[in-house]
Amino acid sequence: EDKVVQSPLSLVVHEGDTVTLNCSYEVTNFRSLLWYKQEKKAPTFLFMLTSSGIEKKSGRLSSILDKKEPFSILNITATQTGDSAIYLCAVATQGGSEKLVFGKGTKLTVNP
Amino acid sequence: EAQVTQNPRYLITVTGKKLTVTCSQNMNHEYMSWYRQDPGLGLRQIYYSMNVEVTDKGDVPEGYKVSRKEKRNFPLILESPSPNQTSLYFCASSFSTGSQPQHFGDGTRLSIL
Repeated sequence: EDKVVQSPLSLVVHEGDTVTLNCSYEVTNFRSLLWYKQEKKAPTFLFMLTSSGIEKKSGRLSSILDKKEPFSILNITATQTGDSAIYLCAVATQGGSEKLVFGKGTKLTVNP
Repeated sequence: EAQVTQNPRYLITVTGKKLTVTCSQNMNHEYMSWYRQDPGLGLRQIYYSMNVEVTDKGDVPEGYKVSRKEKRNFPLILESPSPNQTSLYFCASSFSTGSQPQHFGDGTRLSIL
């Protein structure tokens, strides 16, 4: 059975801290790994990773994939209260099944 | 504006009364999918569709049906809803496969009494 495990499930930090969110997975036919941010409503896309070792960066957020382990991390530097959200990791499969398997998410709370 | 539109946004109904949640996208996307989100369980895929008339099961398809007669629409049908289907439902679409960034609708909160 395909599965995606995120850790920690919950995290509380102060503004300015740096956080690292983890995502490990076991799937039969890996195609890509995606990170989403979910605030009050629908998830919004952050990063898509397909190759090991290539960092994707957007402002204070960055992410990298290690297909050998396999896992991915999402880093947020100089956190702000607006970063408070649930961060979702999803793995897409291929080869007859085009499923998308999500982890349970990491709830990040950034206090002022 | 590119969007995925779900209706209704909220629904309270009773066990056994058939209901349909509609989903429509205006981006000419081929891939569409339904998810349910429950506390402690995260997002779980119910069904997905790679194109018109092509649908397949996700991880939790029991008790649900879908159809894809037109590219833009992907309704979710609960033929005989039960209380364990009370959940927050999201429809999403992407260009060609689930491996690409998905655009999500705003969600439908269903309560089955």
